[in-house]
Amino acid sequence: DTGVSQDPRHKITKRGQNVTFRCDPISEHNRLYWYRQTLGQGPEFLTYFQNEAQLEKSRLLSDRFSAERPKGSFSTLEIQRTEQGDSAMYLCASSSAGVTKETQYFGPGTRLLVL
Amino acid sequence: AQKITQTQPGMFVQEKEAVTLDCTYDTSDPSYGLFWYKQPSSGEMIFLIYQGSYDQQNATEGRYSLNFQKARKSANLVISASQLGDSAMYFCATGYSTLTFGKGTMLLVSP
Repeated sequence: DTGVSQDPRHKITKRGQNVTFRCDPISEHNRLYWYRQTLGQGPEFLTYFQNEAQLEKSRLLSDRFSAERPKGSFSTLEIQRTEQGDSAMYLCASSSAGVTKETQYFGPGTRLLVL
Repeated sequence: AQKITQTQPGMFVQEKEAVTLDCTYDTSDPSYGLFWYKQPSSGEMIFLIYQGSYDQQNATEGRYSLNFQKARKSANLVISASQLGDSAMYFCATGYSTLTFGKGTMLLVSP
């Protein structure tokens, strides 16, 4: 059983550049989540999808952030005009909605450093 | 709104001993889940154990058990027979569609 995968694992960019991250969930999972984790903190929810529909977005998700899940499979998270404060670990997770003990399984994360 | 409090920034335990990591929670949901995740230095969040708020028994998964005290709103993780590979950050979380995490506890296991 293949787990959640994320690409790239590491990204270094200059302030003002755009970056895009990809997440491939566990194949039978219909929910996909994005979280952000800064140093010394637990992950913070950004947004989630059920199939293609984006059901919830956090106030943390500024208008520079956009996420898509066009075919209900993989998802992309784009950050436009990156700022140094965007430096963080971006975690993706997936789950199956409606099952007993619904559990989110996480990918390895993408570490972003904005210079 | 949900809140998770982990009051232990770090814990130190010797190999083969048991250790308890504390977690208290606050939620307005009538039914909720409680989760523990492990995060090694590599960064991946590894699911350990789940407790449902209406589960009659405390959850167990191998060497992990959850000491759930609903009236006290606590969901402490107990790791029995610690191993060197248990050294990592441990996060408590609650929620259903979205998870709210605590700040974590760093566990160091010494030989």
